[in-house]
Amino acid sequence: AQSVAQPEDQVNVAEGNPLTVKCTYSVSGNPYLFWYVQYPNRGLQFLLKYITGDNLVKGSYGFEAEFNKSQTSFHLKKPSALVSDSALYFCAVRDRTGANNLFFGTGTRLTVIP
Amino acid sequence: DSGVTQTPKHLITATGQRVTLRCSPRSGDLSVYWYQQSLDQGLQFLIQYYNGEERAKGNILERFSAQQFPDLHSELNLSSLELGDSALYFCASSAGGGGQRYTEAFFGQGTRLTVV
Repeated sequence: AQSVAQPEDQVNVAEGNPLTVKCTYSVSGNPYLFWYVQYPNRGLQFLLKYITGDNLVKGSYGFEAEFNKSQTSFHLKKPSALVSDSALYFCAVRDRTGANNLFFGTGTRLTVIP
Repeated sequence: DSGVTQTPKHLITATGQRVTLRCSPRSGDLSVYWYQQSLDQGLQFLIQYYNGEERAKGNILERFSAQQFPDLHSELNLSSLELGDSALYFCASSAGGGGQRYTEAFFGQGTRLTVV
């Protein structure tokens, strides 16, 4: 069965500092991995995805994520955090066979402190 | 704007009632997903339809049902509502079914259901 773990409910970072939001996954075979962001009272917005190829994926708003197969991780990163990055971040996984549903982690609330 | 439209945005209803949530996917998307987001449970996958057929089922209660119509819009029916059903219900759509698993899903703004 596929699953996603986001070990931190809350991440606080100072504005201008680098940020990391952690995600680990469990899936049969190679995964498709996604990051989404949710602002208050809004739907989820797609940030980036890993399909194949380069382990470092670049996405919207300066975010990037690093796929690490040996550690089954897909951490979201940004070199310099902005206050406007404060939101709820979700990691998601879809396997390459079987059911096609997208499984989400429980979310990590990122707060960027001015 | 993701291109996914959900109606209504807000719904307040009493326990025991039945409601229908509606979702129009992005133009051309064949897959529709329904998710429930509550404070203590995160984002729970309910069900997926692809081109009118049920493709995957998650933690969907027997009191809940869904369908996807020939024009690809989808409805989520919630019946015998309980206080615990109060949540945000999201619809998402993506281009592919089994053959396009790499495609991301795009989410609507959600329907906030309050059961009183």
